[in-house]
Amino acid sequence: QKEVEQDPGPLSVPEGAIVSLNCTYSNSAFQYFMWYRQYSRKGPELLMYTYSSGNKEDGRFTAQVDKSSKYISLFIRDSQPSDSATYLCAMSSYYGGATNKLIFGTGTLLAVQP
Amino acid sequence: DAMVIQNPRYQVTQFGKPVTLSCSQTLNHNVMYWYQQKSSQAPKLLFHYYDKDFNNEADTPDNFQSRRPNTSFCFLDIRSPGLGDAAMYLCATSRPQVAKNIQYFGAGTRLSVL
Repeated sequence: QKEVEQDPGPLSVPEGAIVSLNCTYSNSAFQYFMWYRQYSRKGPELLMYTYSSGNKEDGRFTAQVDKSSKYISLFIRDSQPSDSATYLCAMSSYYGGATNKLIFGTGTLLAVQP
Repeated sequence: DAMVIQNPRYQVTQFGKPVTLSCSQTLNHNVMYWYQQKSSQAPKLLFHYYDKDFNNEADTPDNFQSRRPNTSFCFLDIRSPGLGDAAMYLCATSRPQVAKNIQYFGAGTRLSVL
């Protein structure tokens, strides 16, 4: 079993739709949760960062973490064609001063149709 | 703007011909990472430098080496590229003492092996 599971898609939605992207994980030590957006042939760009459980909102984007269920989500409201990209979830634990690896999902390919 | 810069963006090499990819950063981050990403897959960590300390992943082939001559620069050397080494190579940086394990990525170098 992979530490992080993410549906690869592709997910195709019409412009203006609400998009829900999800990841599940198995390691209860994970405390830091990130969503990266990766456009075709580009590097990942940090979109959202959340510590522990709860919600975080930034414009049209909302990140949710449910540590009891080991489940994280990214919601995109009023989706735009420019949101078409691969969305990677990533997570890590952290032990004061040490470097800990990011564990990535495989990414979900999103296409927003105009 | 502070950023992570990778050169070249595209690199074509011949089977077995050594190649070097470069990464520079103006973020003054003390940790630098090299990832390999193949199509529709999660980035795979090859190694990282924490300051001057080199940390190799257990499953990184000996064919891959790295150098970090100073804080700002890091190089990935592939001694004898094989067809299976064709991939996107991503450089990332972080400063765990300040921003836990958030990593900032460059745009990547796409390597083709003929």
